[in-house]
Amino acid sequence: DGGITQSPKYLFRKEGQNVTLSCEQNLNHDAMYWYRQDPGQGLRLIYYSQIVNDFQKGDIAEGYSVSREKKESFPLTVTSAQKNPTAFYLCASRWSGVQPQHFGDGTRLSIL
Amino acid sequence: AQKITQTQPGMFVQEKEAVTLDCTYDTSDQSYGLFWYKQPSSGEMIFLIYQGSYDEQNATEGRYSLNFQKARKSANLVISASQLGDSAMYFCAMSLRENYGGATNKLIFGTGTLLAVQP
Repeated sequence: DGGITQSPKYLFRKEGQNVTLSCEQNLNHDAMYWYRQDPGQGLRLIYYSQIVNDFQKGDIAEGYSVSREKKESFPLTVTSAQKNPTAFYLCASRWSGVQPQHFGDGTRLSIL
Repeated sequence: AQKITQTQPGMFVQEKEAVTLDCTYDTSDQSYGLFWYKQPSSGEMIFLIYQGSYDEQNATEGRYSLNFQKARKSANLVISASQLGDSAMYFCAMSLRENYGGATNKLIFGTGTLLAVQP
């Protein structure tokens, strides 16, 4: 079945560590997005990519990095510079035009 | 500044009744889109319905309809005949177009409304 797969579902990070969240889609979508959701809040955009080998910062990019080497994959690295990384992270992708974004099931990141 | 406002943190509705979830938006763009997503307790975001700023008719998708009032900048979601499975967080979102190889479709989200359907 086509869809967006995020892994792992739960992730724990030690202080000072970088961790990478995986996002893979087999929908042949061009655009991919990373959002962060804090408790009781809406989603905020971290990074997005319209095409392979290109990406743009969203509203809260500090402390995060991404790559888009393949159309199917858009991994997010939470670096040690992100001082408050505990949150729910959602990856999304979109075809084009006015098509809606489709989301993965999310990764819940916690600090040990 | 572009913004989505959802003023109802939580709502109750009786099963089989209709419910309206409020959403107002603020943008100076002429071309934009409005979306509603449902987020169950499991966390995934489920797309429900879309309304384009130039669409003259209100969007409908099964039991969901979007009451679009452009002059008032509101895009309320109406759920008819509520079911127990409708209990979830509901987010209103707006997409913005940017001059970057076409529509960027960045989404701005509201803070959500938690809907509880009672039997």
